[in-house]
Amino acid sequence: EVQLQQSGPELEKPGASVKISCKASGYSFTGYNMNWVKQSNGKSLEWIGNIDPYYGGTSYNQKFKGKATLTVDKSSSTAYMQLKSLTSEDSAVYYCARREALYYAMDYWGQGTSVTVSS
Amino acid sequence: EILLTQSPAIIAASPGEKVTITCSASSSVSYMNWYQQKPGSSPKIWIYGISNLASGVPARFSGSGSGTSFSFTINSMEAEDVATYYCQQRSSYPPTFGGGTKLEIK
Repeated sequence: EVQLQQSGPELEKPGASVKISCKASGYSFTGYNMNWVKQSNGKSLEWIGNIDPYYGGTSYNQKFKGKATLTVDKSSSTAYMQLKSLTSEDSAVYYCARREALYYAMDYWGQGTSVTVSS
Repeated sequence: EILLTQSPAIIAASPGEKVTITCSASSSVSYMNWYQQKPGSSPKIWIYGISNLASGVPARFSGSGSGTSFSFTINSMEAEDVATYYCQQRSSYPPTFGGGTKLEIK
């Protein structure tokens, strides 16, 4: 069974950084691109970027360049997203989602990680 | 960036009623994916590649369309279909999502 298990909720102060993890199981981690998606306050979904776990190559939404950094640890089948220089605008739920290869649909999602930025 | 406009933003349907959601793209796209999200849960892939139902999705759901106009249809509304549905394109970077359609039951 494919599972993406994300790390727990985070409460950070403005200006801080946070690193969210997404541990994959039930499939070949290096065989599928991993995406990250932001959902602010129950609103719509924004694609942040993706990473190819095999080669480590990344693509970012221009809006999140400089804000988000995607990495992986192949040895533990875990993807990470670091967000830096946090502001209240970064308060949201962040999802990791596996991308299937044919239609680029995000076919499995993590449970989401809530990030709250507050002084 | 391709903008996806979903309509309606909110719709209420009676059990057994047919429901149609549209997704209009600002530029032509090759494929459209649809996701279902229930409150407090992660999105789930529902329809991919325009018209392919994801595993476990009931046959009362369907997707169609091409170019800049796509549709998501429920043939006969059931209570378990209450959710927000999002369209998503991947033809052009960055991948983008529609604003969502909240489906309620009357």
